[in-house]
Amino acid sequence: QVQLVESGGGVVQPLMSLRLSCAASGFAFNSYAFYWVRQAPGKGLEWVGLISFDGINQYFSASVKGRFTMSRDDSSNTVYLHMNRLSPDDTGIYYCARAPPRDGYNTLDSWGQGTLVSVSS
Amino acid sequence: DVQMTQSPSNLSVFIGDTVTITCRANQNIGPWLAWYQIKPGRAPKLLIFKASSLESGVPSRFSGSRSGTQFTLTINNLQPEDFATYYCQEYGTNSRIFGQGTKVEIK
Repeated sequence: QVQLVESGGGVVQPLMSLRLSCAASGFAFNSYAFYWVRQAPGKGLEWVGLISFDGINQYFSASVKGRFTMSRDDSSNTVYLHMNRLSPDDTGIYYCARAPPRDGYNTLDSWGQGTLVSVSS
Repeated sequence: DVQMTQSPSNLSVFIGDTVTITCRANQNIGPWLAWYQIKPGRAPKLLIFKASSLESGVPSRFSGSRSGTQFTLTINNLQPEDFATYYCQEYGTNSRIFGQGTKVEIK
């Protein structure tokens, strides 16, 4: 069955870097775009970024643009979120989600359970 | 910039009730809106896409509609497993903004 498993979260100091991983299984990985969505403690959902099905294009929210990048490894069915210059505002649960071709790869039809990132000194 | 206003923020309802949640965009986003359900410790779940298309496997008591820039999620005959938080998300712009969320609780 479709599975997305995030890992790599933890406690990190401000201005440090962290890499999150999203291991996918149970479907044709290279047919999907992937998103990262986060939820700060007690807050709502916030789209963070996306990487296209072919890895050529990436887009990010204004709050992380220039600090975060994404990559994908189709040989291991893994998507990565590379987070740099982290701030306490980046604290939250980070979800990985896949987007099928319908609707231009914009709807998230399967999600992981999330990994917690805490940025604190 | 697009803004999504979701209401209400909280709902206290009985099993069997009908629930209506609204998201209003401050600009035209076309039909490009999805609804998601989130439960603590669980993976979020897509319910509705393109304003009114029911995701495969989602019970038919869930429905979505659109009137201009106002979008509505309706849950008929609320079941115990429907107590959760619901979010809309627009994807008619590059911002992909989520609404503020609506927590549906048992009365």
